[in-house]
Amino acid sequence: NAGVTQTPKFRVLKTGQSMTLLCAQDMNHEYMYWYRQDPGMGLRLIHYSVGEGTTAKGEVPDGYNVSRLKKQNFLLGLESAAPSQTSVYFCASSNPTDYTDTQYFGPGTRLTVL
Amino acid sequence: AQSVTQLGSHVSVSEGALVLLRCNYSSSVPPYLFWYVQYPNQGLQLLLKYTTGATLVKGINGFEAEFKKSETSFHLTKPSAHMSDAAEYFCAVSEDTPLVFGKGTRLSVIA
Repeated sequence: NAGVTQTPKFRVLKTGQSMTLLCAQDMNHEYMYWYRQDPGMGLRLIHYSVGEGTTAKGEVPDGYNVSRLKKQNFLLGLESAAPSQTSVYFCASSNPTDYTDTQYFGPGTRLTVL
Repeated sequence: AQSVTQLGSHVSVSEGALVLLRCNYSSSVPPYLFWYVQYPNQGLQLLLKYTTGATLVKGINGFEAEFKKSETSFHLTKPSAHMSDAAEYFCAVSEDTPLVFGKGTRLSVIA
């Protein structure tokens, strides 16, 4: 099993450009999450999904959109990138029980917006 | 709403010394509590978690944590630090909702 994979690993954008980050998991998990990690801020939840076709806002959703068209994939989109979105983005997934289940994290995507 | 406070953004210990990383939480209902570890340039992985039952929880790599309701704490300890323990540690809380993470504590281990 590959676990949770993220594509790409690194990306540099110019202000105003758009991009999509892909998260894929092969563990048949129902729940998937997108976080951003900034120095001194810990991890903050952007959006999450409790099943195929469902999404919900987290703590910091502004400027991001998500889609969960397939159970194994969770896409994070930036329609018009801003320097404030420079961060490391992590995807995670967990078993289909409740929020107490272990979250499995991907290796992260380092995004720089110039 | 639940929240987590980790005291000390950076902790430094000598190899073989006790590791103590502090976490206090705020929750309106009995919480679920977690410690995750992040090694350099990697994603997070679960160290241990408390959901119900025994308040002393043992995790991987010799770490343990004790849930103390009266002190609203869930401190992480390890009797003897190893160089490989150098990482960033995150405490997290859930009220059967998505996790809320603390800001993290970076642990350095000095030879």
